[in-house]
Amino acid sequence: KQEVTQIPAALSVPEGENLVLNCSFTDSAIYNLQWFRQDPGKGLTSLLLIQSSQREQTSGRLNASLDKSSGRSTLYIAASQPGDSATYLCAVSEGYSTLTFGKGTMLLVSP
Amino acid sequence: NAGVTQTPKFQVLKTGQSMTLQCAQDMNHEYMSWYRQDPGMGLRLIHYSVGAGITDQGEVPNGYNVSRSTTEDFPLRLLSAAPSQTSVYFCASSQGGTGQIYGYTFGSGTRLTVV
Repeated sequence: KQEVTQIPAALSVPEGENLVLNCSFTDSAIYNLQWFRQDPGKGLTSLLLIQSSQREQTSGRLNASLDKSSGRSTLYIAASQPGDSATYLCAVSEGYSTLTFGKGTMLLVSP
Repeated sequence: NAGVTQTPKFQVLKTGQSMTLQCAQDMNHEYMSWYRQDPGMGLRLIHYSVGAGITDQGEVPNGYNVSRSTTEDFPLRLLSAAPSQTSVYFCASSQGGTGQIYGYTFGSGTRLTVV
């Protein structure tokens, strides 16, 4: 059974810092990996999707990498802002129809 | 706006009552799925569908039924609500196959409380 682990569970940083969120998965036979953002009481917003054949994806200040063979992904956030405060979820797809999620990293960026 | 629409947003049920959580998508996605999110447990898969007329169980299917009569709709039925079903429920859809380059789209969720 696929298991997804996210470290750290919570992170508090001052505004302007660059930071890295980690995600690991136990079965490397995945189709893709997706990073989501969830604000309190809200739904999931897709940030980045990395296909299994890709090494990284970038969107603005966000960069996600994937090392499929070692079962790891990182989400890099550059020049963090208070508006980045949210829970970040990592999810892997082993088939086309479903996702397995980590429990998330709760990020707080203070002014 | 295109996307996944869930109704209702909030619901309070009494133990033993039944209800249906609605989910509709207008992106012509093949795949749809239901997840529940509980504190400390993350999101867990309840049921999923790979097309009209085809459904399957996920990790936590007990107490829930689904059907998929159209591509657009994927309702989740609680047969006899229990306090353990108090949770936030999310519906998701994806195009499937080569459409996986676009990933999954999630609805805004239904917050259910069973008393």
